[in-house]
Amino acid sequence: ETGVTQTPRHLVMGMTNKKSLKCEQHLGHNAMYWYKQSAKKPLELMFVYNFKEQTENNSVPSRFSPECPNSSHLFLHLHTLQPEDSALYLCASSQGGGSYNEQFFGPGTRLTVL
Amino acid sequence: AQTVTQSQPEMSVQEAETVTLSCTYDTSESNYYLFWYKQPPSRQMILVIRQEAYKQQNATENRFSVNFQKAAKSFSLKISDSQLGDTAMYFCALSPLYGGSQGNLIFGKGTKLSVKP
Repeated sequence: ETGVTQTPRHLVMGMTNKKSLKCEQHLGHNAMYWYKQSAKKPLELMFVYNFKEQTENNSVPSRFSPECPNSSHLFLHLHTLQPEDSALYLCASSQGGGSYNEQFFGPGTRLTVL
Repeated sequence: AQTVTQSQPEMSVQEAETVTLSCTYDTSESNYYLFWYKQPPSRQMILVIRQEAYKQQNATENRFSVNFQKAAKSFSLKISDSQLGDTAMYFCALSPLYGGSQGNLIFGKGTKLSVKP
């Protein structure tokens, strides 16, 4: 595996389910990010982790819970989601959290909440 | 608040021709970076080009170049000799060097570019 991988690629869940999205980066980076991509809206930054420490929580509802056990793995735990949470969830990583650093994106998880 | 605006939701261009995608932004920061990212259909988003705001010289990467006008807060992307593989969503993004949003990417809504044979 190379780059940034995300599993699953597609997920359909009911409003009462609990599920988790997984992201793994194979680039030796120190910073990881979760974004939400909805149609006709800018990408929304949700969470940032730098050296496993959460440095940004962009007013995300508590039904989204991130976890970063090490610099290579990032999870997004989901529970009691709403239909408006349906979107493409993108993970990204970068070498440090500085502005210059290029972010490398995963292919995303297409989430549908019924 | 910092914002990025892409006023062209969709554009099309003939293969081998040149196209320019527009981007304007708003920030109170004096130092920041600007990026263009490309998201091909069903594929991963990748960096196309980046510009440092304190550099006056416009960045170029092969067929891709930018027109950076700092005073006007404008950052357009020019694609020369368009190829079918350039068909994608293009996102303009801003990343401030300092402040609470340091290192974070603030994206525009994107422009969907179609290159026609």
